[in-house]
Amino acid sequence: GDSVTQMEGPVTLSEEAFLTINCTYTATGYPSLFWYVQYPGEGLQLLLKATKADDKGSNKGFEATYRKETTSFHLEKGSVQVSDSAVYFCALSYGGATNKLIFGTGTLLAVQP
Amino acid sequence: DTAVSQTPKYLVTQMGNDKSIKCEQNLGHDTMYWYKQDSKKFLKIMFSYNNKELIINETVPNRFSPKSPDKAHLNLHINSLELGDSAVYFCASRKTGAGNEQFFGPGTRLTVL
Repeated sequence: GDSVTQMEGPVTLSEEAFLTINCTYTATGYPSLFWYVQYPGEGLQLLLKATKADDKGSNKGFEATYRKETTSFHLEKGSVQVSDSAVYFCALSYGGATNKLIFGTGTLLAVQP
Repeated sequence: DTAVSQTPKYLVTQMGNDKSIKCEQNLGHDTMYWYKQDSKKFLKIMFSYNNKELIINETVPNRFSPKSPDKAHLNLHINSLELGDSAVYFCASRKTGAGNEQFFGPGTRLTVL
């Protein structure tokens, strides 16, 4: 079946460091890929998405490219801030009537000043 | 104005009790979801309704019963609560055909003692 695998956390970085959170997926078809962010005590917010191979999603300085050949959707940011501390979830869905989201396990990012 | 709201935010109860969680969205969406997030932050789909019709029913104990009185509301009733039901429950909604983004509520933290 379909699944999403994320790197284990926590990831601890100093402010202004470069961030990469790895995400790979297993899919029977051609899903859309997402990164959601969950700030402490809050619900999930969509951070970025890509709907087809080679698409790049970007938002708030974060980027991820849909790589079909490596079945990956790694999240990157050039310079993290303390306010980026959160749990990041990679997910896939096929859209359609159900649009069920299949999530990875989440990666906790802690940015220190 | 809150887009997706859930009540209550926190729920502490004894084993064996019956409880309900309510979700409302004011986004004009036609599809709503319940997700369960366990203590390790893993998120899994439970149910989904489209226009008051059940379209996703994952392998969930039949002690859990969703109910959608109209497109803007999706409630979750849980009978005979067990310790393992302790989790954060997230409601989400989406408009069919308007991209695959789901909008999440703030979550309800259920603790079963």
